[in-house]
Amino acid sequence: AQRVTQPEKLLSVFKGAPVELKCNYSYSGSPELFWYVQYSRQRLQLLLRHISRESIKGFTADLNKGETSFHLKKPFAQEEDSAMYYCALSRSSNTGKLIFGQGTTLQVKP
Amino acid sequence: GAVVSQHPSWVICKSGTSVKIECRSLDFQATTMFWYRQFPKQSLMLMATSNEGSKATYEQGVEKDKFLINHASLTLSTLTVTSAHPEDSSFYICSARDPGRNTGELFFGEGSRLTVL
Repeated sequence: AQRVTQPEKLLSVFKGAPVELKCNYSYSGSPELFWYVQYSRQRLQLLLRHISRESIKGFTADLNKGETSFHLKKPFAQEEDSAMYYCALSRSSNTGKLIFGQGTTLQVKP
Repeated sequence: GAVVSQHPSWVICKSGTSVKIECRSLDFQATTMFWYRQFPKQSLMLMATSNEGSKATYEQGVEKDKFLINHASLTLSTLTVTSAHPEDSSFYICSARDPGRNTGELFFGEGSRLTVL
């Protein structure tokens, strides 16, 4: 069965500190992985996807198939990064069907 | 970017009544839309896949007679919560993929908060 696990409900750091939001998945095939973000009072939106191997707002995420992980990292957190972050898995971009992790609230303190 | 809009953004109803929530893709056509449910401080749970012109595909454990989905056009899907009860109170979110963008990205509506008294 497909499953996405985000072990931390809340991650609290000070501004300028490094951030790592953990995500592990279980899926027998080759998944596509995404990070979505939800800022306060805004809708869910895509942050980044593993296929594009891009850096968005200073965030990066590398797919580690050996560890079945897709952790989200940023070297220096900013206050505006405070939000809810969801890791999500899709079997295929053609279906668009996403399975979400439980979400991690990132709180960046001044 | 692609925009998905939901209406109403919040609704309060009495137990036993039915409530309809609309999901529209404003600047693209979506043959498939997805309905999620989110409990407070919890993850999004996929309820069903809405298919234009055919029956919706429901996830395991979701009552199809309880949550009626209709996808009558390429830009509109509706979710009707029938005979609503307090336990149906939740945040319902729809999403769709823009087939014109081959990215796999889902675009989400702003969500509809249902409170059943």
